[in-house]
Amino acid sequence: EAQVTQNPRYLITVTGKKLTVTCSQNMNHEYMSWYRQDPGLGLRQIYYSMNVEVTDKGDVPEGYKVSRKEKRNFPLILESPSPNQTSLYFCASSGRVGATEAFFGQGTRLTVV
Amino acid sequence: GQNIDQPTEMTATEGAIVQINCTYQTSGFNGLFWYQQHAGEAPTFLSYNVLDGLEEKGRFSSFLSRSKGYSYLLLKELQMKDSASYLCAVRDPAAGNKLTFGGGTRVLVKP
Repeated sequence: EAQVTQNPRYLITVTGKKLTVTCSQNMNHEYMSWYRQDPGLGLRQIYYSMNVEVTDKGDVPEGYKVSRKEKRNFPLILESPSPNQTSLYFCASSGRVGATEAFFGQGTRLTVV
Repeated sequence: GQNIDQPTEMTATEGAIVQINCTYQTSGFNGLFWYQQHAGEAPTFLSYNVLDGLEEKGRFSSFLSRSKGYSYLLLKELQMKDSASYLCAVRDPAAGNKLTFGGGTRVLVKP
């Protein structure tokens, strides 16, 4: 089954404690991205990757890092989480930048206290 | 810059029709998408328009006018399970072809 898998689904952590949210897709997609979703603000892109070892900033990259060492994986790293990073995070992938459909992971609800 | 507007919330009755409007202003345009998102779940793809006109897919239709920067999603024969948020997104080649999303429209279907 074609899917994008994120882990964990839920995470509560403390300010400053480094964390990683994993994202993996089994569709051999080139394009992957991370979004955060906050009430009233919609989905905002954090980082994206057009292929292995190619990443770039989205609209709200501050406080986040990503890596793309393999095609299937695109982890999101918060080196020093802060309460304003409390949000619902989604990873997405598509076959190419111009593809008609993006597939989303199940989401990770992160709370930073 | 990029700006995508859609109403925050709409209420409709089961069996009725609801139209969700989306207006956009972007540097470039390479397609408009509609996604459905149930609370706490991932968005799922509904429709894609890149040329002017109406695209019909079962109970859902989507319309695009590029000259007006306007789209709508039409939901017919509403069912209770259609209660969800509907997200309008524009792909902008001037912004690396990424998707920019509107804030979403929450639709509540009442019996």
